[in-house]
Amino acid sequence: GAVVSQHPSRVICKSGTSVKIECRSLDFQATTMFWYRQFPKKSLMLMATSNEGSKATYEQGVEKDKFLINHASLTLSTLTVTSAHPEDSSFYICSAQAPRGREQFFGPGTRLTVL
Amino acid sequence: ILNVEQSPQSLHVQEGDSTNFTCSFPSSNFYALHWYRWETAKSPEALFVMTLNGDEKKKGRISATLNTKEGYSYLYIKGSQPEDSATYLCAQTMNTGFQKLVFGTGTRLLVSP
Repeated sequence: GAVVSQHPSRVICKSGTSVKIECRSLDFQATTMFWYRQFPKKSLMLMATSNEGSKATYEQGVEKDKFLINHASLTLSTLTVTSAHPEDSSFYICSAQAPRGREQFFGPGTRLTVL
Repeated sequence: ILNVEQSPQSLHVQEGDSTNFTCSFPSSNFYALHWYRWETAKSPEALFVMTLNGDEKKKGRISATLNTKEGYSYLYIKGSQPEDSATYLCAQTMNTGFQKLVFGTGTRLLVSP
């Protein structure tokens, strides 16, 4: 149980385009989902916390207009990187938390490369 | 300690060796300490969640201890196997009302046959 999928696993796009990444909890309902970003040789850094049916809470320094998060259902959250630029190239990974749960279950991540 | 820190950064051992890693974290406002195992191209897998000072958890050949007063946790692997090769992450949550995970940079373990 507690499987989280993420799609796509890799994406290469041109500068200026927008990219959508999906995060799905496959066998449980996730009231809260989290989006992380990892730079090379750095730790996973929380970007935002997403609660189903409400606006996401962004960490300090993360542009909410740049990284649009939607959590429209209990099993799906999406992260859209708008007008992507080469500096947005990174590894993005999501996690999902069940109601009253303490554990976060992670997806396998998405490698974004912006040319 | 202001951040979650892990050491060593990487480790290369032979099959059968026992090994351990350290996670250091701020002891103030502590809520929980998490250990994850992350194999390349896979999802990080939760190993342990510990909350109480002195907690010890064990899963097979892997065990972990927690000292919340001094702000550290140890992860032990007994009799390492090649399949134990992975990056081991620790993360802290604090009692600020949010389930925010603050990660260390991980310890990359390679076990050679």
